[in-house]
Amino acid sequence: QKEVEQNSGPLSVPEGAIASLNCTYSDRGSQSFFWYRQYSGKSPELIMFIYSNGDKEDGRFTAQLNKASQYVSLLIRDSQPSDSATYLCAAFTGTASKLTFGTGTRLQVTL
Amino acid sequence: DAGVIQSPRHEVTEMGQEVTLRCKPISGHNSLFWYRQTMMRGLELLIYFNNNVPIDDSGMPEDRFSAKMPNASFSTLKIQPSEPRDSAVYFCASSYGGASDTQYFGPGTRLTVL
Repeated sequence: QKEVEQNSGPLSVPEGAIASLNCTYSDRGSQSFFWYRQYSGKSPELIMFIYSNGDKEDGRFTAQLNKASQYVSLLIRDSQPSDSATYLCAAFTGTASKLTFGTGTRLQVTL
Repeated sequence: DAGVIQSPRHEVTEMGQEVTLRCKPISGHNSLFWYRQTMMRGLELLIYFNNNVPIDDSGMPEDRFSAKMPNASFSTLKIQPSEPRDSAVYFCASSYGGASDTQYFGPGTRLTVL
């Protein structure tokens, strides 16, 4: 079982819709979670992080964390074609002191 | 401020040759990470330095890989001898506060071993 799992996609949503990206993790000791966006041929860039159960909002982005279910999600409201990219979920575990990435979900926002 | 700088951006070499990748972290950041990204395995941590000291090298695939950080502004990742399966994009990232802090990635080096 991979430590951080994501559906590879592609996830296709129409412009203006809500995109929902999901991630599960296996290590219950994971403390904080990061969402990175990676455009094709580019490097990952941080969108947001979350470490408390519940929702965290930043503009059009909302991260959701449920530690009991070991589940993290990223919602993108009013999706734009410029949101088309691969979204990487990462979990930080203090005992190992490392960030483990999922393989990413490719999002396509269609016109 | 300049971001993380990596060189070269592209490297094509033949099997058996030595490859050296270079990284300059963001000034003031005390943690540096080397990652490898492939389609099959995604983004994998190879090694992590804190204050120039290697903290976790458990991701280094084998003895052919080595990394150094002689000072706070420079790190190298060396592969000797290189093999076709080493072909990947290698990213360097840095952070101010360790692995739990936001990591800023360089543009990456695309390595092709023929």
